[in-house]
Amino acid sequence: QVQLVQSGAEVKKPGASVKVSCKASGYSFISYGITWVRQAPGQGLEWMGWISAYNNNTNYVQKFQGRVTMTTDTSTSTAYMELRSLRSDDTAVYYCARVSLLMGIVEFDYWGQGTLVTVSS
Amino acid sequence: DIQMTQSPSSLSASVGDRVTITCRASQSISSYLNWYQQKPGKAPKLLIYAASSLKSGVPSRFSGSGSGTDFSLTISSLQPEDVATYYCQQSYSSGFTFGQGTKLEIK
Repeated sequence: QVQLVQSGAEVKKPGASVKVSCKASGYSFISYGITWVRQAPGQGLEWMGWISAYNNNTNYVQKFQGRVTMTTDTSTSTAYMELRSLRSDDTAVYYCARVSLLMGIVEFDYWGQGTLVTVSS
Repeated sequence: DIQMTQSPSSLSASVGDRVTITCRASQSISSYLNWYQQKPGKAPKLLIYAASSLKSGVPSRFSGSGSGTDFSLTISSLQPEDVATYYCQQSYSSGFTFGQGTKLEIK
């Protein structure tokens, strides 16, 4: 069965960087993309961007351009999201999800369990 | 960027009620609209894709409709396990923006 397992919770100081991993299993990793969505405490879902595991093409939300890097390691079927220059308002649960693209229809069809990133001095 | 606006922001209904949540896009998105369910403390789950297609394994009491700018998610007979926040998401342009969510509670 399809599973996405994310790395554990992180506590970081303002200005630091965090790198969250998302290990996929149960499907052909390079046949799909991986997207990252975050959720601040008590808030809604915020899409951050996505990466094609096939060719490593990325598409980042403009708000995060220059601060975020999404990568994949096809040898271990793992995706990574690095966010730099952390601020307190980056405190959130970060989710990875599989991106399914079929006949122009985009779905985020399987999700990881989420990783809490806390930014605090 | 395409903005997605859901209404209402919260909703309280009784078990067995028919419940409808609406989602409006700031421009036409054809049928490129997904609905997700998020239960407290859990990751979101895809319910409906392409506006009206039910994801495999999702109970048939959930349905979606609409095209262009106006969409709706309907639960035909509300069950206790449907307590959750529901989000619409456009997949028309690569912004993939979400609505602000609708919190559904049992009365």
